[in-house]
Amino acid sequence: KQEVTQIPAALSVPEGENLVLNCSFTDSAIYNLQWFRQDPGKGLTSLLLIQSSQREQTSGRLNASLDKSSGRSTLYIAASQPGDSATYLCAVITQGGSEKLVFGKGTKLTVNP
Amino acid sequence: DARVTQTPRHKVTEMGQEVTMRCQPILGHNTVFWYRQTMMQGLELLAYFRNRAPLDDSGMPKDRFSAEMPDATLATLKIQPSEPRDSAVYFCASGLVYSGTVNQPQHFGDGTRLSIL
Repeated sequence: KQEVTQIPAALSVPEGENLVLNCSFTDSAIYNLQWFRQDPGKGLTSLLLIQSSQREQTSGRLNASLDKSSGRSTLYIAASQPGDSATYLCAVITQGGSEKLVFGKGTKLTVNP
Repeated sequence: DARVTQTPRHKVTEMGQEVTMRCQPILGHNTVFWYRQTMMQGLELLAYFRNRAPLDDSGMPKDRFSAEMPDATLATLKIQPSEPRDSAVYFCASGLVYSGTVNQPQHFGDGTRLSIL
């Protein structure tokens, strides 16, 4: 059974700092890995999707990497801003698991002005 | 921007009452998912549909939960009878999935925050 873990559960940084969020998964046979952002009282917004054949994806100040063999992904946020404060969730679709997303419990990020 | 719409946004009701949550997926999406989010368990998939046909509802308590898609623009999740342990945020998501291709992101609604007293 696929399990996704995100460490740390919470992170607080000063504005302008570069930071890394971590995600690990137990079954490396995945179709893809996705990073989502969730604001309080809101749904999830897809940030980046990395296919199993890819090593990384970039969108603006965000860069996500994938090391499938070791079951790890990182989300790098450059020059963090207070507006980046949210919970960031990692999710994978496992081969043979159809389209089911298996989520980690998220990292709550606070960027202080 | 096209969005997944969920109603109601909030629901408070007493134990034993029937609860119905509705979802309007993004037009053109062929797959609809229902998730439940709690502090303890995080996000869990309850059920999902492809072209309105149920594909998997193994995450759903069968005795009290039911999910349907009466038409392509409406998905419903019902709980009868409701229990306090059903209190959670229920999310609907939709996506476009072709056979053998699972590399499209899912789009989430803002959820229904359910409280069972």
